[in-house]
Amino acid sequence: SAVISQKPSRDICQRGTSLTIQCQVDSQVTMMFWYRQQPGQSLTLIATANQGSEATYESGFVIDKFPISRPNLTFSTLTVSNMSPEDSSIYLCSVEGDPNQPQHFGDGTRLSIL
Amino acid sequence: KQEVTQIPAALSVPEGENLVLNCSFTDSAIYNLQWFRQDPGKGLTSLLLIQSSQREQTSGRLNASLDKSSGRSTLYIAASQPGDSATYLCAVTGNTPLVFGKGTRLSVIA
Repeated sequence: SAVISQKPSRDICQRGTSLTIQCQVDSQVTMMFWYRQQPGQSLTLIATANQGSEATYESGFVIDKFPISRPNLTFSTLTVSNMSPEDSSIYLCSVEGDPNQPQHFGDGTRLSIL
Repeated sequence: KQEVTQIPAALSVPEGENLVLNCSFTDSAIYNLQWFRQDPGKGLTSLLLIQSSQREQTSGRLNASLDKSSGRSTLYIAASQPGDSATYLCAVTGNTPLVFGKGTRLSVIA
């Protein structure tokens, strides 16, 4: 199974600033996803990171707030822009190489906004 | 819109007990169903994946079943251990990427 490295593992940020989260996979994968897990809640899909084209965002999430890059088949970044306390969550990167295989997740980035 | 529900929300059992976690989904047109484990402050570990054409999958002390027509899945854990304490998440995929339930928080007491 794919090994996923996410950086940073946690951060504490000031209101109004932006943070970029990196996701590196040890093998080429077709699909990469970004999820958010708010405190006490389950996971919500933010967007699908498409290689070579713009990300596909789910309802309630917009590119200006969560810009995503995917320059190749092993790497993606998610930026959380103009942060507010409501953005305090765990952000998780996930990959799927084969639809018949399990989807795998990184360890997540725990983000706190003061 | 697919919705996934997990019952119970929390469960506490003594070590050695067998237990069942429940998952239900509203749209039976799924491609597969996955069970995950999440330890506090950590990411998700995939436990079992059941294709829509399958009825069950087993891994060690874990057995997951799927009844697609009724929109239900169960995760059976045999001979529970304190190390099994975690949150267990059920997720389904169909025409959309994974949709998650809110999870069952399991505590196994030594």
